[in-house]
Amino acid sequence: DAMVIQNPRYQVTQFGKPVTLSCSQTLNHNVMYWYQQKSSQAPKLLFHYYDKDFNNEADTPDNFQSRRPNTSFCFLDIRSPGLGDAAMYLCATRRGPRTDTQYFGPGTRLTVL
Amino acid sequence: RKEVEQDPGPFNVPEGATVAFNCTYSNSASQSFFWYRQDCRKEPKLLMSVYSSGNEDGRFTAQLNRASQYISLLIRDSKLSDSATYLCVVTQGGKLIFGQGTELSVKP
Repeated sequence: DAMVIQNPRYQVTQFGKPVTLSCSQTLNHNVMYWYQQKSSQAPKLLFHYYDKDFNNEADTPDNFQSRRPNTSFCFLDIRSPGLGDAAMYLCATRRGPRTDTQYFGPGTRLTVL
Repeated sequence: RKEVEQDPGPFNVPEGATVAFNCTYSNSASQSFFWYRQDCRKEPKLLMSVYSSGNEDGRFTAQLNRASQYISLLIRDSKLSDSATYLCVVTQGGKLIFGQGTELSVKP
């Protein structure tokens, strides 16, 4: 059974058209992460939530926003996608501060036309 | 300097070969260490944690040397199904820091 679910798996949007990616988890984990992974590169952390506390990475562009309305769901909003934002977006969860293991969702592959 | 650096790859090996992956990390405060495997267009999946005492899981052996800030992964008797990208990962303050990955291709 899938524990971290991402929807949609594939998303096509137009240059400048806002898009929202979603992530849900059945693990009841406190921490949720969003990563961006471009082709042949390592995943890059965009931001994470510890419960409701939002933590933005210093180099995450303002174009990227996130919402976590409850423990189970987290959204990534890209306000004005550019061609350079085409990537795989990975959601991950972690139980809490004393655990290291992160559980990844299958990712959403974003194409920007 | 990258926080986590790996062999650039790709590694192309025949079935049955032994393959060694190397990784170094720059921050001595790194707390935990892992190898992840990522298949093409899929999410990273935890392969194994890495401990200073060394640990083995079947054909896979991982080693950590904190003094030299070096992590290794050895795959013995490689299989076609081992073909993937192997990511070296360290944690700092609850965050995963990924290396760029080393691609492995095992050929018949």
